[in-house]
Amino acid sequence: EIVLTQSPGTLSLSPGERATLSCRASQTVSNNYLAWYQQKPGQAPRLLIYGAFSRATGIPDRFTGSGSGTDFTLTISRLEPEDFAMYYCHQYGSSLRTFGQGTKVEF
Amino acid sequence: EVQLVESGGGLVQPGGSLRLSCAASGFTFTSYWMHWVRQAPGKGLVWVSHINSDGYSTNYADSVKGRFTISRDNAKKTLFLQMNSLRAEDTAVYYCGRMIADGEDYWGQGTLVTVSS
Repeated sequence: EIVLTQSPGTLSLSPGERATLSCRASQTVSNNYLAWYQQKPGQAPRLLIYGAFSRATGIPDRFTGSGSGTDFTLTISRLEPEDFAMYYCHQYGSSLRTFGQGTKVEF
Repeated sequence: EVQLVESGGGLVQPGGSLRLSCAASGFTFTSYWMHWVRQAPGKGLVWVSHINSDGYSTNYADSVKGRFTISRDNAKKTLFLQMNSLRAEDTAVYYCGRMIADGEDYWGQGTLVTVSS
């Protein structure tokens, strides 16, 4: 199975700052089928990015996905108060899907 | 409006069984692959299993292979997860979801499974 390693584990930032989250895969993610999710306590995950760089419906343009192969990045250009949450990467290019362990963006 | 509503969670003893259901509405159920994802208390997301649109192709995480069975009833627009030989480490919120397609996916609200004596 493809292991996804996210870094850092926690990102301590302030509103208005830029957040850069990393996701590294142990093998090439087929077709760059890499997604990013945001999750807040008590809620289901929310799809932000799919196919490595395409924004899901209704996602603001301050969220940007980039990368290919084994190295992927989620960038939040200017943090809004509602962006403080957990973020997970997820690969869906192989028959055994996997998630990263998550990055917490905290204030 | 797309809705996914899970049911069937609860408290079960180690070694016991439980069957989760996920009722779908608001979309053409037969057109989409579906999955189960779980989240242990305070932990991250873990993919459990997925099934293709006609129900004939399935995949499982190694941690549940041989113990869990995913299935679907397309006529009733319902997804299932049969869980046998449950262990304490299976304790989690179980989410059913419509897998990513056309830039969208959908999740249920989750159902809690607690494995404890």
